[in-house]
Amino acid sequence: SAVISQKPSRDICQRGTSLTIQCQVDSQVTMMFWYRQQPGQSLTLIATANQGSEATYESGFVIDKFPISRPNLTFSTLTVSNMSPEDSSIYLCSVATGNLEQYFGPGTRLTVT
Amino acid sequence: AQRVTQPEKLLSVFKGAPVELKCNYSYSGSPELFWYVQYSRQRLQLLLRHISRESIKGFTADLNKGETSFHLKKPFAQEEDSAMYYCALRARFGAGTRLTVKP
Repeated sequence: SAVISQKPSRDICQRGTSLTIQCQVDSQVTMMFWYRQQPGQSLTLIATANQGSEATYESGFVIDKFPISRPNLTFSTLTVSNMSPEDSSIYLCSVATGNLEQYFGPGTRLTVT
Repeated sequence: AQRVTQPEKLLSVFKGAPVELKCNYSYSGSPELFWYVQYSRQRLQLLLRHISRESIKGFTADLNKGETSFHLKKPFAQEEDSAMYYCALRARFGAGTRLTVKP
């Protein structure tokens, strides 16, 4: 298993600004994922961020809006750019073992006003 | 395309009754399926994975490739099983089922 922390735990941001969410893991992992969970909804995969390669984005998500960095095997960031109220959501990072079992962070609750 | 379907958004049973949470998938390759659970005010956590065929907290799930299903079952539900349950195909999640076990 892995222990994952996220910063910030929550934030309230103004429309048009950007927020960078940090994800820290207590062990080295290759596979890391970023999800969005809108109120009352399931998890939607934003992108897969494997160390040593560019992030792979899912349909409907683009790098300009959600740039991701993965500088090493224990850390990643997701930026939500040029925010609008529709970006209000919980953002989750997770890491996966070799058999794709995932371990999740506590989430970052973002409110855009 | 990969798709996971959980047809029931809400499921309510009485304590001691059997419970089955349905999950169907669509995937052309060999599926890697998981059940995750989220208890109130806790983070999402892995419950079961299909390759292990183990029982966790009394829950089991069998992969049925013919029916493309991976239903989660427990013979006797407990109040502490009340939670949100998600079926996942690799990194893609179904809509989730909220299970409520009534006393």
